[in-house]
Amino acid sequence: GAGVSQSPSNKVTEKGKDVELRCDPISGHTALYWYRQSLGQGLEFLIYFQGNSAPDKSGLPSDRFSAERTGGSVSTLTIQRTQQEDSAVYLCASSLNRGSQETQYFGPGTRLLVL
Amino acid sequence: AQTVTQSQPEMSVQEAETVTLSCTYDTSESDYYLFWYKQPPSRQMILVIRQEAYKQQNATENRFSVNFQKAAKSFSLKISDSQLGDAAMYFCAYSRNSNYQLIWGAGTKLIIKP
Repeated sequence: GAGVSQSPSNKVTEKGKDVELRCDPISGHTALYWYRQSLGQGLEFLIYFQGNSAPDKSGLPSDRFSAERTGGSVSTLTIQRTQQEDSAVYLCASSLNRGSQETQYFGPGTRLLVL
Repeated sequence: AQTVTQSQPEMSVQEAETVTLSCTYDTSESDYYLFWYKQPPSRQMILVIRQEAYKQQNATENRFSVNFQKAAKSFSLKISDSQLGDAAMYFCAYSRNSNYQLIWGAGTKLIIKP
């Protein structure tokens, strides 16, 4: 079946503008994660959705960042009033979450450049 | 807080030879999961291998194997018979359970010399 998809693939925006990044998880996956990868660094956890439970937002770096997941499927990460330090690759992952053998499957990411 | 450290920013190996990538981590948990992910230039993270901390046997996946030393909190990846397609960034990651956030190392760039 189809893997995790993300759109857009690349996004260039001006400082101060708002951006929305989209993630379509694998069908049937109840867990969804957003990570941020800055140039030359590992991934930084942002937010985690699990079914209908309240999301774990502990990784969001500021209140300019928010995310929602509609109908337990598609998720949107919104960055308001973008800053140059927000430039990074934003990766989404999903997993089945039905046991202890689940693997996080990643999308190709959205590369965000804030000018 | 849990941390993951990859001390080798870059490694190179001759095609068909063996290379080992290092990873150490810090945690107070007794049960957890460790992963190696590969990120080629396409950006897509691909799971290479995973290890459950409660399992003493080292995980293997074809040419990829790990040396898991729980007491030393070390989790190295060995790639045998290196191939050009193995060239990528390799990330070590930790999770306190399989459905929770991953904590990542900074990555090791693996170069394969033909």
